[in-house]
Amino acid sequence: EPEVTQTPSHQVTQMGQEVILRCVPISNHLYFYWYRQILGQKVEFLVSFYNNEISEKSEIFDDQFSVERPDGSNFTLKIRSTKLEDSAMYFCARPRIGAEVTDTQYFGPGTRLTVL
Amino acid sequence: DAKTTQPNSMESNEEEPVHLPCNHSTISGTDYIHWYRQLPSQGPEYVIHGLTSNVNNRMASLAIAEDRKSSTLILHRATLRDAAVYYCILRALYNQGGKLIFGQGTELSVKP
Repeated sequence: EPEVTQTPSHQVTQMGQEVILRCVPISNHLYFYWYRQILGQKVEFLVSFYNNEISEKSEIFDDQFSVERPDGSNFTLKIRSTKLEDSAMYFCARPRIGAEVTDTQYFGPGTRLTVL
Repeated sequence: DAKTTQPNSMESNEEEPVHLPCNHSTISGTDYIHWYRQLPSQGPEYVIHGLTSNVNNRMASLAIAEDRKSSTLILHRATLRDAAVYYCILRALYNQGGKLIFGQGTELSVKP
């Protein structure tokens, strides 16, 4: 299956700045997920997005975070005012084409966010 | 979602089989057993999944205990490229939103 792509691969920002991370899934794919992984720690679920609405979100996904599908294809994760502890790898993921949501997920290569 | 327990790390020699165990004693009847791996500096990668019967694919085999309270991921011939963190994850059939809950996983090192 086609890969999931993410941009940028590395983002460096100052504390308090807004960042937008982008993910390009296959067109017309309805379900999408964002995860993060702080260096040396486990992968953590952030949010799932279905048919242009948030389906589920974790405690990490507070008011500073938002997700959108601005142009009908790309998915974005926005952090409004970054904190030092937001430094992490951010992964997007999608289910296998035509599969139920409990089936496999395909992950992108991630965006490394560094907050200074 | 039910909890899984895996060893923190394991070592293997190249070209030898590797058996990665996972305990999930609180598994429910509708929980699927999924395995993912994460190579260094990469995103997680799907390996295999099953419900009750043993499963085989081009990457690995999954052996599921009869009582489903444990499972084993089998890499038939480990290569250096198999060095990764391996995650055993339970996913409920009716898992709203389909999220994956990762534990710490087992870090597999492969010696030449």
